[in-house]
Amino acid sequence: EVQLVESGGGLVQPGGSLRLSCAASGFTFSSYSMNWVRQAPGKGLEWVSYISSSSSTIYYADSVKGRFTISRDNAKNSLYLQMNSLRDEDTAVYYCARVGYYYDSSGDYYYYGMDVWGQGTTVTVSS
Amino acid sequence: SYELTQPPSVSVSPGQTARITCSGDALPKQYAYWYQQKPGQAPVLVIYKDSERPSGIPERFSGSSSGTTVTLTISGVQAEDEADYYCQSADSSGTSWVFGGGTKLTVL
Repeated sequence: EVQLVESGGGLVQPGGSLRLSCAASGFTFSSYSMNWVRQAPGKGLEWVSYISSSSSTIYYADSVKGRFTISRDNAKNSLYLQMNSLRDEDTAVYYCARVGYYYDSSGDYYYYGMDVWGQGTTVTVSS
Repeated sequence: SYELTQPPSVSVSPGQTARITCSGDALPKQYAYWYQQKPGQAPVLVIYKDSERPSGIPERFSGSSSGTTVTLTISGVQAEDEADYYCQSADSSGTSWVFGGGTKLTVL
């Protein structure tokens, strides 16, 4: 079964740090790009960060740039999000999501969208 | 920063057609994706590459694109389709992914 399981969430004070993990199983993790997406209580989805399959390409949302670091360990089938200098507004459920892909009949590469999601881990930033 | 704009809510009766729009300046250059999210659950991909439907998604879900607007259409809406729907795309450079604000679909 294709599965993503997040862990590492919890209660942290403003200015503190937290490291989230996402364990992948049931597919060849090293072949897929990954995203972190978050959702504040009662709010919509917000993309946080992207990492390519080989870690060669990394992107961040402006709201977390300079504070969060995405990484992965393909040998351990794991994705990480190191969150530093946490703020109240970082309070959210954090999801990891697989970026699916496919090749069409011409051999062109296309994103398939975020086709597998974890159940989420809750981060609460509060004093 | 780049934004995608969706209506906050759409209401339809069972069996009718629901249309949810998403507008953004880069949509002529970047594909759009649509996700369904029910309360307490993770999102589910329902449309990719503007108009393609993943396996396992009912045929009543379809997508289209015209200029700076993409549209998710749900034909013959069922009670189980009541959920929040989010469009997702990227800015023109492809380095910043973005979600629309979400649309709450209510089945009357």
